[in-house]
Amino acid sequence: GESVGLHLPTLSVQEGDNSIINCAYSNSASDYFIWYKQESGKGPQFIIDIRSNMDKRQGQRVTVLLNKTVKHLSLQIAATQPGDSAVYFCAENPNQAGTALIFGKGTTLSVSS
Amino acid sequence: GAGVSQSPSNKVTEKGKDVELRCDPISGHTALYWYRQRLGQGLEFLIYFQGNSAPDKSGLPSDRFSAERTGESVSTLTIQRTQQEDSAVYLCASSLAPGQGVGGYTFGSGTRLTVV
Repeated sequence: GESVGLHLPTLSVQEGDNSIINCAYSNSASDYFIWYKQESGKGPQFIIDIRSNMDKRQGQRVTVLLNKTVKHLSLQIAATQPGDSAVYFCAENPNQAGTALIFGKGTTLSVSS
Repeated sequence: GAGVSQSPSNKVTEKGKDVELRCDPISGHTALYWYRQRLGQGLEFLIYFQGNSAPDKSGLPSDRFSAERTGESVSTLTIQRTQQEDSAVYLCASSLAPGQGVGGYTFGSGTRLTVV
């Protein structure tokens, strides 16, 4: 079964709001986490990543927070725009030799103007 | 090439037929992955290739599924005797090293398979 999951399957926000998408993982040995964005009809695209020796990483309008104590990962999007509407997946690297990334089920973010 | 290329982009096939899906990874990427994405679902790992090592086939759902990769280039995913539950988008990704590196994986746009 999957070891990565998300708290909410859908999130609806107004343009300009800040969005927070959450993810819980179960493998305490995972050492690398990635957020992907998937627009309709396309493959997932990298947004931001974080290693387990960090608890926060910032990009352009996005911030990833990692809480290893409770095995929780979140993606914060500042000033959400309609173009941010997509499905967001978190993924973990289980830190086992020869093991592929494990993806969660995804959260659909809908941004209305 | 500049990105991961998958073909065909769409495939409709009759139940019981065999299908072959193709993936061209980014040049120089040693690792290649296949995932399946059912409608509205997450990504389900199928198989992963790393260089000349034996592939990790642990995600293949049945013996009707198989995949090959020639060296560090093209990969084909074959589904024999297709069933309606095989209908999904099949995503291919490549990376510099298994699960590591900046940015993780680069995905193709997928092949949407519909079994009728």
